Amino acid sequence: DTEVTQTPKHLVMGMTNKKSLKCEQHMGHRAMYWYKQKAKKPPELMFVYSYEKLSINESVPSRFSPECPNSSLLNLHLHALQPEDSALYLCASSQDRGIQYFGAGTRLSVL
Amino acid sequence: RKEVEQDPGPFNVPEGATVAFNCTYSNSASQSFFWYRQDCRKEPKLLMSVYSSGNEDGRFTAQLNRASQYISLLIRDSKLSDSATYLCVVNNYSGGGADGLTFGKGTHLIIQP
Repeated sequence: DTEVTQTPKHLVMGMTNKKSLKCEQHMGHRAMYWYKQKAKKPPELMFVYSYEKLSINESVPSRFSPECPNSSLLNLHLHALQPEDSALYLCASSQDRGIQYFGAGTRLSVL
Repeated sequence: RKEVEQDPGPFNVPEGATVAFNCTYSNSASQSFFWYRQDCRKEPKLLMSVYSSGNEDGRFTAQLNRASQYISLLIRDSKLSDSATYLCVVNNYSGGGADGLTFGKGTHLIIQP
């Protein structure tokens, strides 16, 4: 089983809602990632945090706001999303440049 | 971001057969290579890392050809449980620090009894 824990597993939200996705790992990894995966497509990178600092933002719209409160936690704050943002949101972690391990994901539906 | 290309399939293969997947990557500076497996509605899981010297893990063998920018995966004696999507993955490490993975579109494998 994965050692990267994501909550919630499923989320349904309206376009005016504010919600947050959470990711936690206790493997001592110092790099954490958010990916977005649409149906029948591969995961696409959104953000990279390295040593709790945002190091990569793949031109993600500002309605997605990442936060890394400490080395074990990664949040993704959602506000004013669009229906096309419905997808599986995957968190991953790695030891610096090592292998990335994925959480089970949050399946998001925007109505 | 550079691309990774692989045949999406589906590959329909009888149980017990040997099946091979290939992928190519466009960034010659890519540094790390992996095969991940993804089951329907699940997260990607690492199957194996890929090295130029080739590596084997049970029924699975992976190979990297840096000159041709080509990665392969061979599955011998396929099992019904091997049915999944196999993702060819590259890490470019741009900027020297942690970097996101670049995924191929995945190859869908169906093992038939």
